[in-house]
Amino acid sequence: SAVISQKPSRDICQRGTSLTIQCQVDSQVTMMFWYRQQPGQSLTLIATANQGSEATYESGFVIDKFPISRPNLTFSTLTVSNMSPEDSSIYLCSVRAANEQFFGPGTRLTVL
Amino acid sequence: GESVGLHLPTLSVQEGDNSIINCAYSNSASDYFIWYKQESGKGPQFIIDIRSNMDKRQGQRVTVLLNKTVKHLSLQIAATQPGDSAVYFCASYEGHSGTYKYIFGTGTRLKVLA
Repeated sequence: SAVISQKPSRDICQRGTSLTIQCQVDSQVTMMFWYRQQPGQSLTLIATANQGSEATYESGFVIDKFPISRPNLTFSTLTVSNMSPEDSSIYLCSVRAANEQFFGPGTRLTVL
Repeated sequence: GESVGLHLPTLSVQEGDNSIINCAYSNSASDYFIWYKQESGKGPQFIIDIRSNMDKRQGQRVTVLLNKTVKHLSLQIAATQPGDSAVYFCASYEGHSGTYKYIFGTGTRLKVLA
């Protein structure tokens, strides 16, 4: 299994600012994933992050808005840039280990 | 594009009864499906999975049925308990050329009535 922690667990931010979310895994994994879950909705994949290469973004998500770092096999960050109220959501980090997908507890972001 | 959707957004079940949560998917190339449970304030947790070469798989109190003909899967929970109250998501796994991703359905909230 894989245990995932995220920081911060929640935050309230002002419009126009940026927030960086950290994801730490207790084991080395090749691929890490970032999801967004808007209130009352399902999970939408933002991007896939491999260590040592640029993240691969899904349709509708761009690097300028959601820059991702993946400096090593146990850590990744997602930045939500120039935030607007529409970015209010839960952001979840996920990894695949032992043929199973694990999710972090999520970061609840509210943009005022 | 691909989609995985659920028929019912909310399901209320009496404690002790069986629950059935349904899900439809659109991509016939999907070969692996997973059900997740998400409790309030937590990330999704794996419940059970099924590969496309199977039509039924059983776990502890849960059964997943897959009908590839109509691209439909369901999650059955036997003897539903209060701790089963959560949002349930189905997801399809699509992997090719060394990359893969999960596509999630819209979710069903299960409410267990005492």
